[in-house]
Amino acid sequence: DAGVIQSPRHEVTEMGQEVTLRCKPISGHNSLFWYRQTMMRGLELLIYFNNNVPIDDSGMPEDRFSAKMPNASFSTLKIQPSEPRDSAVYFCASSSPGQFGYEQYFGPGTRLTVT
Amino acid sequence: QQQVKQSPQSLIVQKGGISIINCAYENTAFDYFPWYQQFPGKGPALLIAIRPDVSEKKEGRFTISFNKSAKQFSLHIMDSQPGDSATYFCAASIRDYKLSFGAGTTVTVRA
Repeated sequence: DAGVIQSPRHEVTEMGQEVTLRCKPISGHNSLFWYRQTMMRGLELLIYFNNNVPIDDSGMPEDRFSAKMPNASFSTLKIQPSEPRDSAVYFCASSSPGQFGYEQYFGPGTRLTVT
Repeated sequence: QQQVKQSPQSLIVQKGGISIINCAYENTAFDYFPWYQQFPGKGPALLIAIRPDVSEKKEGRFTISFNKSAKQFSLHIMDSQPGDSATYFCAASIRDYKLSFGAGTTVTVRA
């Protein structure tokens, strides 16, 4: 099992540019999560999909952020336009039923730097 | 506001010692309490998890203690090893999906 795959691993862009982060969940997992990690705010849930449908996007900071899941094996998180305060590590996670419920498996993350 | 409060922010322990990390929560509707381990440059990895119907769960050198009445839970790392040096996050959720994470504890194990 390849685990959750994210690309790119690092992204450096200028303020105002569009940024697209990509995620391939573990095959067979029906839930997908996007998180953001910063020193100031820690790990924050941005959006949660179940069976490709967005269930909870209350963590999306503002309209500049959007996420899609066109099929069970692919999701994107887009920031347009990007701002320096968006600099963070963005994680994708997927989950399936485990011993205690839905255990989330995280990808390696995308480190985004907006200059 | 942070729904799960974690302490300490960091700790240093000698090899073979015990590391203890504490978390407290307010929302009594939380019913799933996992711990994640994160190494630099990597994503968090599920370490161990507990439900509130048990007071303790042990997996190898890692033990979760859960006190429902006090709304607290803790992670004990027994016989700490240098390879355990990482950041540990407690978390809590309702119906598993919306995890609220603690701020994290950086554990350093000195050889």
